[in-house]
Amino acid sequence: ETGVTQTPRHLVMGMTNKKSLKCEQHLGHNAMYWYKQSAKKPLELMFVYSLEERVENNSVPSRFSPECPNSSHLFLHLHTLQPEDSALYLCASSQRGFGTQYFGPGTRLTVL
Amino acid sequence: GESVGLHLPTLSVQEGDNSIINCAYSNSASDYFIWYKQESGKGPQFIIDIRSNMDKRQGQRVTVLLNKTVKHLSLQIAATQPGDSAVYFCAEKVTSNTGKLIFGQGTTLQVKP
Repeated sequence: ETGVTQTPRHLVMGMTNKKSLKCEQHLGHNAMYWYKQSAKKPLELMFVYSLEERVENNSVPSRFSPECPNSSHLFLHLHTLQPEDSALYLCASSQRGFGTQYFGPGTRLTVL
Repeated sequence: GESVGLHLPTLSVQEGDNSIINCAYSNSASDYFIWYKQESGKGPQFIIDIRSNMDKRQGQRVTVLLNKTVKHLSLQIAATQPGDSAVYFCAEKVTSNTGKLIFGQGTTLQVKP
């Protein structure tokens, strides 16, 4: 595997479900990011992890809970989501402090 | 507040023509800019970057121009091909240790055969 991978690629869940999104980077980076991409909107930064420590939480509701167990893996735990949370969730990685971020293919999430 | 914007939501060009996609940014202290390409069903893909101490950088068929005086960034694609059809985003780096980027809304490039 190369680059940044994300699983699952598609996810449909009810509002009462609990699910997790997984991201793995194979680039030797030490910073990882979660973004939300909705139609007609710019990418919205959700969380930033640098050296496995959360350094930014961009006013994201608590129904989204990130986890970074090591520099190669990033999770986004989801519970009691709302239909407006339906979007493409993108993971990215970079070298800490260096701007070029490399993105995964995203998870298309639909909340019913 | 900070914002990065693109002038046109959609650009339609003929195959073989050159394309120019524009972006305006608001933070004069930003020191690094990136262009990304996002094809349908995929994540954004890095195309080219430029630091604020440069005003032009060339890649393979792509050129990025930076005008700090008017805070304007452009992406030029030479001899546009059908495979260039995608959404193009510019991004601006906020000076910090987190490497935070601010993205524009994107321009959809449509290439007509």
